[in-house]
Amino acid sequence: KAGVTQTPRYLIKTRGQQVTLSCSPISGHRSVSWYQQTPGQGLQFLFEYFSETQRNKGNFPGRFSGRQFSNSRSEMNVSTLELGDSALYLCASSENNEQFFGPGTRLTVL
Amino acid sequence: DAKTTQPPSMDCAEGRAANLPCNHSTISGNEYVYWYRQIHSQGPQYIIHGLKNNETNEMASLIITEDRKSSTLILPHATLRDTAVYYCIVRENTISSGSARQLTFGSGTQLTVLP
Repeated sequence: KAGVTQTPRYLIKTRGQQVTLSCSPISGHRSVSWYQQTPGQGLQFLFEYFSETQRNKGNFPGRFSGRQFSNSRSEMNVSTLELGDSALYLCASSENNEQFFGPGTRLTVL
Repeated sequence: DAKTTQPPSMDCAEGRAANLPCNHSTISGNEYVYWYRQIHSQGPQYIIHGLKNNETNEMASLIITEDRKSSTLILPHATLRDTAVYYCIVRENTISSGSARQLTFGSGTQLTVLP
């Protein structure tokens, strides 16, 4: 099976812009989770989607949102970007208990 | 989810066993111990998990103490490619089909395998 894929791999944006990141889970996996990783805060959970419904949400402002499509692919959106949003955004897919992570999208906000 | 404590860093000689400890003294009866690792700038990789019995797979062995308050991940023959941050996480196993709860990552242990 192909692994988790994330696009784009790298992205540069400026403050105030918005961004959409995409994640394609492993075929057959219905759960997709998103995480943000920064040097200061480490890996932090953003939200989880299962069968197109958000099941869990981390402690992030409303500027961070996501959705999941019927084919389990997921997108996350960050609006009104801030410098502090610069991070590695990781997507993980799961069908049982193990989570399989993608390579991440490196977002730089200038 | 229970909190875990890991040493911030460890070194290991190539070819030797790497033993990574984790304390989880507040673990509850239905929480499993999971280990993931993250090689620099890549996504975390699942290694192994267990409840109370020792577990072994092709990557590593997991030894959980009888009181379940601590565990050790063992890489039997460390290679340079095992240099990574290793995360110990405790959480409930999922009950409903296909659902996965969030993973709460701590700071992990930076393992450096030396030639």
